[in-house]
Amino acid sequence: AQKVTQAQTEISVVEKEDVTLDCVYETRDTTYYLFWYKQPPSGELVFLIRRNSFDEQNEISGRYSWNFQKSTSSFNFTITASQVVDSAVYFCALRFAGGTSYGKLTFGQGTILTVHP
Amino acid sequence: DTEVTQTPKHLVMGMTNKKSLKCEQHMGHRAMYWYKQKAKKPPELMFVYSYEKLSINESVPSRFSPECPNSSLLNLHLHALQPEDSALYLCASSTVGVGTDTQYFGPGTRLTVL
Repeated sequence: AQKVTQAQTEISVVEKEDVTLDCVYETRDTTYYLFWYKQPPSGELVFLIRRNSFDEQNEISGRYSWNFQKSTSSFNFTITASQVVDSAVYFCALRFAGGTSYGKLTFGQGTILTVHP
Repeated sequence: DTEVTQTPKHLVMGMTNKKSLKCEQHMGHRAMYWYKQKAKKPPELMFVYSYEKLSINESVPSRFSPECPNSSLLNLHLHALQPEDSALYLCASSTVGVGTDTQYFGPGTRLTVL
């Protein structure tokens, strides 16, 4: 069975602070994909990143960066110099790369991030 | 701007009504999904269509009836819903094929059942 744990239910920061959202996953699959989605109050899930299990390179995109560590089964997300527009619910998700579970995402419970001006 | 559109944005219906939710994508994707999301919870998968055929039904009650008339459109027909069916309904689409099928979501329809 697959499981994604986002231990931080809510995080509150002041603008310009750095913030890290934790994601820990469990899977017996050797090939899988990890995702981060952002859900602002409007409701739409916005795709942020996909990482393959065989690619442990960290990634940076502007103020966003992701740290993937297979040894600890973690895929953490850091926002540098946070802004009010970063306020949203962030979901980490896992998907098996094939077989009968094809297409099915396992989501974490989400982390509510509030950035205060 | 999202390339997955959903209509309507909001819907209020009574328990005896029949209504439909619509989803459209123009990204050439051949897999489309319906999710249900309750407040403060992650999305829950309901249905998956692949090449216009239903490939996954997550034991959803028959009062929800999906339809995929073509590769760009996905409908969710609603009938005799219960108040507990009130939720945000999200549509998503993706390519079909290992390694390429990131799901892209629409803005959702907020459904209230009275």
